[in-house]
Amino acid sequence: QSALTQPASVSGSPGQSITISCTGTSSDVGGYNYVSWFQQHPGKAPKLMIYDVSNRPSGVSNRFSGSKSGNTASLTISGLQAEDEADYFCTSYTNSSTVVFGGGTKLTAL
Amino acid sequence: EVQLVQSGAEVKKPGESLRISCKGFGDSFSSYWITWVRQLPGRGLEWMGRIDPSDSYTNYSPSFQGHVTISADKSINTAYLQWSSLKASDTAIYYCARGGVTIDYWGQGTLVTVSS
Repeated sequence: QSALTQPASVSGSPGQSITISCTGTSSDVGGYNYVSWFQQHPGKAPKLMIYDVSNRPSGVSNRFSGSKSGNTASLTISGLQAEDEADYFCTSYTNSSTVVFGGGTKLTAL
Repeated sequence: EVQLVQSGAEVKKPGESLRISCKGFGDSFSSYWITWVRQLPGRGLEWMGRIDPSDSYTNYSPSFQGHVTISADKSINTAYLQWSSLKASDTAIYYCARGGVTIDYWGQGTLVTVSS
């Protein structure tokens, strides 16, 4: 099972919106609405930000939103803040009854 | 509040065996799958496999099948990840997390260092 494809890095200025993509295949992202997004700050455990493509867990800012089109899922962060600077990973359920992670994207708040 | 508390950091030699643990607090442990995730130094996250503590049914990533064993003891709300013969390339942080498809709560991670 190949890792989902994410850009290695994205950047944005405070207040801007950024979008991180996560591309898979019809065997994972395109086939199921089980895409999640995680935020990981250095030295910390990952934190769930979006699940089931577009749902936010309780306590997660509504500046974070998720969507999917075909085999590509996206995470959008609006009103970028310095505290959003972190690594972001996507995951998807697969047709092998496993889960696959994306390679991760480093978000820099300029 | 749900908490997953993992065992402490380990330093081992190549060829040695190891079992690390993940204990659940605050919710019905057997009601949720437990997933194990590897993070190599400075790298991304890799899904290793998962276990249903209610019946110990497991799923492994093809990348890890045969290299590690995932188990659980529901009577003490604990899941395990074990190796029979460690390699230097197993040096990583290992996380347990709740959920088999959607992962929500994570343990704090266990650093495993394998060095001669």
